[in-house]
Amino acid sequence: DTGVSQDPRHKITKRGQNVTFRCDPISEHNRLYWYRQTLGQGPEFLTYFQNEAQLEKSRLLSDRFSAERPKGSFSTLEIQRTEQGDSAMYLCASKHGTSGRTDTQYFGPGTRLTVL
Amino acid sequence: GQQVMQIPQYQHVQEGEDFTTYCNSSTTLSNIQWYKQRPGGHPVFLIQLVKSGEVKKQKRLTFQFGEAKKNSSLHITATQTTDVGTYFCAGPRSSNTGKLIFGQGTTLQVKP
Repeated sequence: DTGVSQDPRHKITKRGQNVTFRCDPISEHNRLYWYRQTLGQGPEFLTYFQNEAQLEKSRLLSDRFSAERPKGSFSTLEIQRTEQGDSAMYLCASKHGTSGRTDTQYFGPGTRLTVL
Repeated sequence: GQQVMQIPQYQHVQEGEDFTTYCNSSTTLSNIQWYKQRPGGHPVFLIQLVKSGEVKKQKRLTFQFGEAKKNSSLHITATQTTDVGTYFCAGPRSSNTGKLIFGQGTTLQVKP
């Protein structure tokens, strides 16, 4: 257990529905990252926050995706009008500090999304 | 854009045999990290290499960072069934964001 928690662990939804995932990072970590991982691939960066500010979004993050970290603690990732191609594992990771030399990220257990 | 490639994609070994996975980046990296993901699990940080030519060991695992800081390798000596999983290398997209670019991973199967 890395100390990063995600909820729910599994989500099955029908195409067109909206889903929201939550991530609680390690408490003293000011950076929080969202990644998406599909079968047989490495995690792909989606977006990241430094405290409450969303500083970068990947081109993978379409307009149907939105992420927030309102108080600089937990974060939510919402997918609107889900599509079957959204089926994946959504991973959250957190990191302490801003130095590039300490890039260790601690991953949560992930939320596995299945869109029927 | 920046790419991180890993080979092989899969490796099946007999327990006790050695295993090596190789990682190559299209750009010079400030550091490289290795993660292990067990089946059904999430990536778990193993190690970070920062210096050119750096070699680090963790019991039966040996990690190496190339002189040009564009390639890396992970070598496992005398594999055990507990080594089963997918090993990912990852490099930062830029040193300011901490965003990681992952390789596609090498999945290791160990036959007892």
